[in-house]
Amino acid sequence: EAGVAQSPRYKIIEKRQSVAFWCNPISGHATLYWYQQILGQGPKLLIQFQNNGVVDDSQLPKDRFSAERLKGVDSTLKIQPAKLEDSAVYLCASSRRGTGSGVVGDTQYFGPGTRLTVL
Amino acid sequence: AQSVSQHNHHVILSEAASLELGCNYSYGGTVNLFWYVQYPGQHLQLLLKYFSGDPLVKGIKGFEAEFIKSKFSFNLRKPSVQWSDTAEYFCAVSASSASKIIFGSGTRLSIRP
Repeated sequence: EAGVAQSPRYKIIEKRQSVAFWCNPISGHATLYWYQQILGQGPKLLIQFQNNGVVDDSQLPKDRFSAERLKGVDSTLKIQPAKLEDSAVYLCASSRRGTGSGVVGDTQYFGPGTRLTVL
Repeated sequence: AQSVSQHNHHVILSEAASLELGCNYSYGGTVNLFWYVQYPGQHLQLLLKYFSGDPLVKGIKGFEAEFIKSKFSFNLRKPSVQWSDTAEYFCAVSASSASKIIFGSGTRLSIRP
C-alpha cells in the first residue's frame, strides 16, 4: 500500500510569513497526526484527528498554528505568522483506528516530513 | 503524564559489536511500547512494538527489545551491528487506552566500518 504523503518536502520562509503543509494519509486510516520534530529532539504531537474530528490539540500553539482535516482524509497544517523557533521538521502520521477503538495497540506510519526553516 | 528517557544521546560502535540502547518510561498504567528508526535521509519507520504477551519482542533487521515492567524499561538490543544500522533510534510509549505516542529524545547510533 502507498505510504503517507507530505508536501512540500522543504520550505524556507522569513519570520512573520505564513506557510502551509499538506498530508495525505494511508488509504482507509481513520486517525491522522501532526508532529513537530525540532533538531535533536523526538517528535512532539501537535494535533490528532480521528476522521475529521479533533481528538487532541493540547500542544498546538493555537495563536499561530491551525489544522484541518476536511472530509476525514487529507489534512493541512498552517502556521501564521511564523517565528524563528518554528524551524523544525513537521511530520504527518496515520493509523488505522485510534483512540477508543477497542483495539489493543495501533501502529502509526510516518510520512517523510516537511523541513521548515524560518529566517 | 507519560515521559520517555533515552539514556544515550550518541553511541559509537564498531561493526560486529553488540548493541543495547536504554529506554525508560514513566506511566502508571498499561502501556504500548515502540522503537522507531530513522535512517539518514529517510522517514521514521517502526522497528518493533510491544502491546501485550511475550515481553521479548523481535523486530526487523535482527533487532529485539525486552519489556521489563518492574524496571519500566524497554531496551533495544542487537547481537552484532552492521554499518547499515547507522541511524537515529527513538523509543516511544502510549497508554493502552489511547493512541497518543510520547517519544524519547532519540539516540544517534554511528557504526565504524
